[in-house]
Amino acid sequence: QSALTQPASVSGSPGQSIAISCTGTSSDVGGYNFVSWYQHHPGKAPKLMIYEVTIRPSGISSRFSGSKSGNTASLTISGLQAEDEADYYCGSYTSTNTLVVFGGGTKLTVL
Amino acid sequence: QVQLVQSGAEVQRPRASVKVSCKASGYIFTGYYMHWVRQAPGQGLEWMGRINPNGGDTSYAQKFQGRLTMTRDTSISTGYMELTRLSFDDMAVYYCARAVKGSTGDVCAFDIWGQGTMVTVSP
Repeated sequence: QSALTQPASVSGSPGQSIAISCTGTSSDVGGYNFVSWYQHHPGKAPKLMIYEVTIRPSGISSRFSGSKSGNTASLTISGLQAEDEADYYCGSYTSTNTLVVFGGGTKLTVL
Repeated sequence: QVQLVQSGAEVQRPRASVKVSCKASGYIFTGYYMHWVRQAPGQGLEWMGRINPNGGDTSYAQKFQGRLTMTRDTSISTGYMELTRLSFDDMAVYYCARAVKGSTGDVCAFDIWGQGTMVTVSP
C-alpha cells in the first residue's frame, strides 16, 4: 500500500481538462512544498512534470500545472492530447524515516 | 547531453546480491544527489535511498536498512546500488535518478533518470 493516495484511473476526451489528486498527511504533502509529479510511459523512464508543487521544468508544456491544498496535491492537465495517455505518479518529501514517498499511480486514458 | 546510463539486466539467485551501476555525464557529478527508485512488475514507484556524491553520505528507506548500500566513484562519475539477500519480492526495474537542486538543496524531485535495470530473481 502506497503512502500517498491517488485514484487508480482517470479519463478525458481530447481538448478537455482533467485533474489527478494525491492525498497524504501533514508529515509529507501537507507539511512541505516538496511535491513532484511524474509521467511514466511503460518501458520508459519516468519524466518529471512538476516539482516543488507548482514549478514546471524547462521544456514541459504549460498545459501541465500543479497545486496543493492542505494534505492534497493536484496535477491538472488542460487541452488533453493523445500523447498525454500514461501513468502519473506523485511524490513527496516526508519527515518520516523514508525521506521520499510516492503515490500508487494513476492511469490516464485519453478517450 | 545530461544523462545517466545504467548497467545491464541481471539475473540472480535468491539470497544472492546484485550491484547496479549508474554513470553520469554532461554535468558535475558531485553537484547533485543521486537517488535510487524501483518498480516491481505491475506496481508503483518505490524510493530506496540516496547518496550525496560530494562526501558519500547516504540515507536509506527503513525497509532496506541492513541490506542496501549505495556508493560512488567520483573519478568516473558513477554511482552504485548494491542490494543483498535478494528475494522474489526484489524483482523489479531499478532506476537511478538525479535530484533537482533547489534553493534549499535537494528538493527530492528527480529530473534526470537512467534507462532502468531489470533485476530478475530466479532459482
